[in-house]
Amino acid sequence: GAVVSQHPSWVICKSGTSVKIECRSLDFQATTMFWYRQFPKQSLMLMATSNEGSKATYEQGVEKDKFLINHASLTLSTLTVTSAHPEDSSFYICSARDPRVWRGSSTDTQYFGPGTRLTVL
Amino acid sequence: KQEVTQIPAALSVPEGENLVLNCSFTDSAIYNLQWFRQDPGKGLTSLLLIQSSQREQTSGRLNASLDKSSGRSTLYIAASQPGDSATYLCATETSGSRLTFGEGTQLTVNP
Repeated sequence: GAVVSQHPSWVICKSGTSVKIECRSLDFQATTMFWYRQFPKQSLMLMATSNEGSKATYEQGVEKDKFLINHASLTLSTLTVTSAHPEDSSFYICSARDPRVWRGSSTDTQYFGPGTRLTVL
Repeated sequence: KQEVTQIPAALSVPEGENLVLNCSFTDSAIYNLQWFRQDPGKGLTSLLLIQSSQREQTSGRLNASLDKSSGRSTLYIAASQPGDSATYLCATETSGSRLTFGEGTQLTVNP
């Protein structure tokens, strides 16, 4: 199946610094990528939808100035957590939509990355 | 706004037992429903995807059913094995490829 990678897999940073997380689709071009956040013992919450060449669409309650998303190419989306604080510590997971796969529905298949564990001290 | 609920939150069974995980959702206007597996500290692995027009899907020891009108899905795992231990998440897909996840069922299969 399609492969989506994330880098780094884990990161520890000091409060007030910025952290960039990369999401790459390795063997397909993804016009749309999604960023999720997962707190311990909780489910994945969609943060934003990243569309190549245009601005990201943020979910209600997600600060766009704090979580900067850039989807500069069809294989790369980045999430930058600016001025990180301990409450931003979480597991961040991206997914990429593979438009080549048609599974009988009106939407395409999403493939998930392995996640990035962010710890802010 | 779609809400997805999974019951039970945790389940511990002896090896070999058959088990059922439950998922319910509030908005029946879904394109599909997926069941995922998540190992600790890892990403998601898609197990089964059921289109809105389908009633069930099977893969090996896994069988997922969908009753869209009542907003329910079940994941049946036959002859459970210790390697099945993980968190199982269900998610509905609605317009714009938006996935709404349940909080998961943490399964432990004891040898």
